[in-house]
Amino acid sequence: DQQVKQNSPSLSVQEGRISILNCDYTNSMFDYFLWYKKYPAEGPTFLISISSIKDKNEDGRFTVFLNKSAKHLSLHIVPSQPGDSAVYFCAASGHTGANSKLTFGKGITLSVRP
Amino acid sequence: KAGVTQTPRYLIKTRGQQVTLSCSPISGHRSVSWYQQTPGQGLQFLFEYFSETQRNKGNFPGRFSGRQFSNSRSEMNVSTLELGDSALYLCASSLGGGNNQPQHFGDGTRLSIL
Repeated sequence: DQQVKQNSPSLSVQEGRISILNCDYTNSMFDYFLWYKKYPAEGPTFLISISSIKDKNEDGRFTVFLNKSAKHLSLHIVPSQPGDSAVYFCAASGHTGANSKLTFGKGITLSVRP
Repeated sequence: KAGVTQTPRYLIKTRGQQVTLSCSPISGHRSVSWYQQTPGQGLQFLFEYFSETQRNKGNFPGRFSGRQFSNSRSEMNVSTLELGDSALYLCASSLGGGNNQPQHFGDGTRLSIL
């Protein structure tokens, strides 16, 4: 049972344009959501997070939007740069018990074309 | 500030052997989590330790075990290795006081089973 889904395995965008990475979840107990970026041969790097009490969080070129009613979140990267090319993982957790662990999606490979 | 350190970076073992992987968390972090990453499967949660106690556990067989020491360093052990255990094993640390805290990852140990 995949509780965090990243349905598109890959995305290709032109440098300078917006990248929109989507993520859906099924567990209504999740209340904290994160995005990680991963380069080959390195561990995931934390990018940005959002709590369920918010619907938007912004950090520089990165903005995460949360739609709780749709159980959907997205990561916007504006403007996209070639160095953003990596695998992006969406993750979620809740407060208690088994839900308190981080559950990851399978990742989406972003390619930014110069 | 030093990041999460995992040793060794690469390991080759044969079926039936056992292996121990090590993780040193960021200074001050009390929670350590372990994940297995295989192609196409994203990050699968193994277990989390906090203050030397296992706080959460994923759906892996008993061959996978771990422990945490008083200095928060953690080890993961896999016994009776199988070919399917070939994967990247990632360790992540966080302050651990509750959720809404991002986990920070090491670069992983690449385990290959022959």
